[in-house]
Amino acid sequence: RKEVEQDPGPFNVPEGATVAFNCTYSNSASQSFFWYRQDCRKEPKLLMSVYSSGNEDGRFTAQLNRASQYISLLIRDSKLSDSATYLCVVRRGANNLFFGTGTRLTVIP
Amino acid sequence: IAGITQAPTSQILAAGRRMTLRCTQDMRHNAMYWYRQDLGLGLRLIHYSNTAGTTGKGEVPDGYSVSRANTDDFPLTLASAVPSQTSVYFCASSESSGSYNEQFFGPGTRLTVL
Repeated sequence: RKEVEQDPGPFNVPEGATVAFNCTYSNSASQSFFWYRQDCRKEPKLLMSVYSSGNEDGRFTAQLNRASQYISLLIRDSKLSDSATYLCVVRRGANNLFFGTGTRLTVIP
Repeated sequence: IAGITQAPTSQILAAGRRMTLRCTQDMRHNAMYWYRQDLGLGLRLIHYSNTAGTTGKGEVPDGYSVSRANTDDFPLTLASAVPSQTSVYFCASSESSGSYNEQFFGPGTRLTVL
């Protein structure tokens, strides 16, 4: 079983829409959680860390459910510039960072 | 230099050849990492280094070696390339290996082994 699983999409949404991505992780010993964004043929960049209490950064909200071992990302008022692949990332131990395969989002004008 | 640089940007390599991918960071980060990204598999850790002079094996270390002679450089060597090593290779660094330390990625090297 993969450490981190995500729906690959693609999600095609109109501008202004709200879209949500979910991700599940298999190991309950996982310690910290992140969403990274990767544009086509570019390197991943940190979008936000995900804390147990949930956190928000502008139009982006991340939630963590340790009991169910899933992480979510909500994007409100989608912009064209939000089109990218969103990677769910889980850390277990100092150097064990596990990446999901990513969920592709396309925001349509 | 600002951030992390990788060289070459892309390379086509004959099987059996030796190849070193270069990675340099100017952020004085202690920890550095090498990942490969393959379609359908996500990024997987090859090797890491928590500080200059130390290295460790990641999830997929076979066929690769690394060294960390100083803080800034973390080269990845393929001693004898095989076609299954065709991939996009990303180098990353973080201030330390702590739980919520952000990893910063280089632009990647696209390697094709024929």
